[in-house]
Amino acid sequence: DQQVKQNSPSLSVQEGRISILNCDYTNSMFDYFLWYKKYPAEGPTFLISISSIKDKNEDGRFTVFLNKSAKHLSLHIVPSQPGDSAVYFCAASAIGGAQKLVFGQGTRLTINP
Amino acid sequence: DAGITQSPRHKVTETGTPVTLRCHQTENHRYMYWYRQDPGHGLRLIHYSYGVKDTDKGEVSDGYSVSRSKTEDFLLTLESATSSQTSVYFCAISEWGDEQPQHFGDGTRLSIL
Repeated sequence: DQQVKQNSPSLSVQEGRISILNCDYTNSMFDYFLWYKKYPAEGPTFLISISSIKDKNEDGRFTVFLNKSAKHLSLHIVPSQPGDSAVYFCAASAIGGAQKLVFGQGTRLTINP
Repeated sequence: DAGITQSPRHKVTETGTPVTLRCHQTENHRYMYWYRQDPGHGLRLIHYSYGVKDTDKGEVSDGYSVSRSKTEDFLLTLESATSSQTSVYFCAISEWGDEQPQHFGDGTRLSIL
């Protein structure tokens, strides 16, 4: 039972354009959502998060959108840069106490020059 | 970068042997977590700790035990390693409070032959 799903294993985008990564969840108890970026042989790096009281959060080139009714979130990267090429994971948990994060399978983003 | 050190970074061992992985933090964060990453599964929570000597099970805890005798150290033990435990193991830490993201170490690649 996959509670967090990233249905696109890979995505290829031209440098300078917008990258949109998608994530769906099924557990209505989730109220805190995060995106991580991962390079090979390194640990995941925190990018941006959003709580369920918001529908948008921005940090520089990164924006996360949350649609609670559809149980869907997305990460927008504008403009995309070659250094953005990595695997992106979305994760979800319930707020309060220890975060028992549930991760999606990841999407490999490739930015082409 | 969060001060998280995982050791060893790589290990090859044989089925049936005990294995202990160490996670050391210099951030004095309350929460510590162990995850494993396998192809097609993203990261899955094994065990977590919410204080010294306080631990609990995650999604995939069978075959693993943990201990936390000091704030800075969280140990993951495979009492009798099996080939299904071949994986990349990540430690994470987070501060107390809502909406505190987890920060990850660079992982331990464990191969059980």
